[in-house]
Amino acid sequence: AQKITQTQPGMFVQEKEAVTLDCTYDTSDPSYGLFWYKQPSSGEMIFLIYQGSYDQQNATEGRYSLNFQKARKSANLVISASQLGDSAMYFCAEGSQGNLIFGKGTKLSVKP
Amino acid sequence: ETGVTQSPTHLIKTRGQQVTLRCSSQSGHNTVSWYQQALGQGPQFIFQYYREEENGRGNFPPRFSGLQFPNYSSELNVNALELDDSALYLCASSLGGEVPYNEQFFGPGTRLTVL
Repeated sequence: AQKITQTQPGMFVQEKEAVTLDCTYDTSDPSYGLFWYKQPSSGEMIFLIYQGSYDQQNATEGRYSLNFQKARKSANLVISASQLGDSAMYFCAEGSQGNLIFGKGTKLSVKP
Repeated sequence: ETGVTQSPTHLIKTRGQQVTLRCSSQSGHNTVSWYQQALGQGPQFIFQYYREEENGRGNFPPRFSGLQFPNYSSELNVNALELDDSALYLCASSLGGEVPYNEQFFGPGTRLTVL
């Protein structure tokens, strides 16, 4: 069965610094996708970044980048130049076509 | 904003009652997925509808059922409510079909409290 592990329940980062949120996954599917979502206190899930299992390069979207290490089954999210508005829950997810398997999330707090 | 809307925003029910939650998908999307997010947990997949047919189901009992309409909006129905059904219910719309992946656009959720 697919499984996502996020080992950091909470993280603190100073404004303007970079932070890495960890995610490891376990799947037997040869082809899969990895996603990161941000969930502010309002509850809406906001898509941040996607990495396909066959993508040769790490995905980047603005200040977000995904450090994909396939052999280690890890897909860590790197946020550069943190902003106060980045304070939220962050979820890693695996899957495609709707059947997303989410981790338990990491609560990121950005300090001024 | 994603263009995905859900109603109602909040709902309070008592154990044993039935509830219907609604979701309007983003324009052009033909797939709706529903998730349950208990407090302090990540969302869990309930089921997905693609062109009005159920297209996958997670580990939820049959008292969780759904519908998708010709305009691709969707309903989630839960019968015989239990206390553990208290959660945030999220719907997500996407464009299904033969694509490498489908970015899912989530609505703001419906917070259900069962007393």
